Amino acid sequence: EVQLVESGGGLVQPGGSLRLSCAASGFTFSSYNMNWVRQAPGKGLEWVSYISSSGSTIYYADSVKGRFTISRDNAKNSLYLQMNSLRAEDTAVYYCARQAWGGIMNAFDIWGQGTMVTVSS
Amino acid sequence: DIVMTQSPDSLAVSLGERATINCKSSQSVLYSSNNKNYLAWYQQKPGQPPKLLIYWASTRESGVPDRFSGSGSGTDFTLTISSLQAEDVAVYYCQQYYSTTITFGPGTKVDIK
Repeated sequence: EVQLVESGGGLVQPGGSLRLSCAASGFTFSSYNMNWVRQAPGKGLEWVSYISSSGSTIYYADSVKGRFTISRDNAKNSLYLQMNSLRAEDTAVYYCARQAWGGIMNAFDIWGQGTMVTVSS
Repeated sequence: DIVMTQSPDSLAVSLGERATINCKSSQSVLYSSNNKNYLAWYQQKPGQPPKLLIYWASTRESGVPDRFSGSGSGTDFTLTISSLQAEDVAVYYCQQYYSTTITFGPGTKVDIK
């Protein structure tokens, strides 16, 4: 079964750090571009970051640029999001999402269940 | 960034009736070299992650019922549910993946009248 499972969420104080992980299974992880998408409570979807299959190309939303770092370990079938200098507005469910195969950009065909990040003192 | 807007914000439709959701992008998402619109539609039910319904503006994802269809090109797109079922109650989002800064619409909530 094709699956993405996020972990690492939790409660963190403003200014703190957190590292999210996404474990992939059921497909050849190294062949797919991956993304992080977040959703604040009761709000819509916000794309956060993209990483190409090889890890050589990375993009960020302006709202997280300079604070968040996306990475992947294809040997471990894992995607990561290092989040530093966290703010209250970063509070959200964070989803990892697989980009459908083919081309540089494509729709997101597989999503994880998400992990909740709460930034509060 | 490409700004995505959706209308209406919400709608209530009787079971078996048609539901139509509109999505507009602030600039064209049609890539001229391959004539593809970089536009997708997602369905999100409460407590669940989004589910891909439509990609390339009109291609239905495998396993998605054929009552769901997408149309449009350039900057104006539509998601149609031809005969609303109870299990279609959800929030629907459009997304452009034309730009390396991917953006979603604000969502349209669909309920049963």
